[in-house]
Amino acid sequence: ILNVEQSPQSLHVQEGDSTNFTCSFPSSNFYALHWYRWETAKSPEALFVMTLNGDEKKKGRISATLNTKEGYSYLYIKGSQPEDSATYLCALDNTDKLIFGTGTRLQVFP
Amino acid sequence: NAGVTQTPKFRVLKTGQSMTLLCAQDMNHEYMYWYRQDPGMGLRLIHYSVGEGTTAKGEVPDGYNVSRLKKQNFLLGLESAAPSQTSVYFCASSPGLEAFFGQGTRLTVV
Repeated sequence: ILNVEQSPQSLHVQEGDSTNFTCSFPSSNFYALHWYRWETAKSPEALFVMTLNGDEKKKGRISATLNTKEGYSYLYIKGSQPEDSATYLCALDNTDKLIFGTGTRLQVFP
Repeated sequence: NAGVTQTPKFRVLKTGQSMTLLCAQDMNHEYMYWYRQDPGMGLRLIHYSVGEGTTAKGEVPDGYNVSRLKKQNFLLGLESAAPSQTSVYFCASSPGLEAFFGQGTRLTVV
């Protein structure tokens, strides 16, 4: 069983704060690590897919890093805005299965 | 520009009834997945398929069956529904990296 863990479970921040979440995963059988953004009443949407140790990806104010040797990834949001409020999921891809963590629920207050 | 379409969107079943959820994708993706979403549990993989004619068990396969007779369709069957199968079901497809999700099916078993 592939165990993907995310922390914290939930996070409340003020508008303008920067924040980060952690995803940890078993480093064996690794193919890729995915991050998804999931807004309430919608479907998850892909943010990043990272495959190489040391990968860093950025999309606007959101960025992610990957360490496959120690089995973790960080997602950073710089200057959080209320529209960033969502659940952020990471998923371990071992070439056929895509196993999700339980997510970090972010709420940004104006 | 349909993407991933799930049918139906909502359903109420009585305990012991059977039903089939349909997932259709028009992106020619090889990989397809069925997940269930329960409060505090994130997305849990029920079954998946790595190509037409193939299926495999995920994290929580008991009580479900699947078929992938055509590349574009992935069917999830409940032979004898139980209240524990009350959940929101998401289908996803992938070309091998990021996954694209359907809009979800809310199933209630009474």
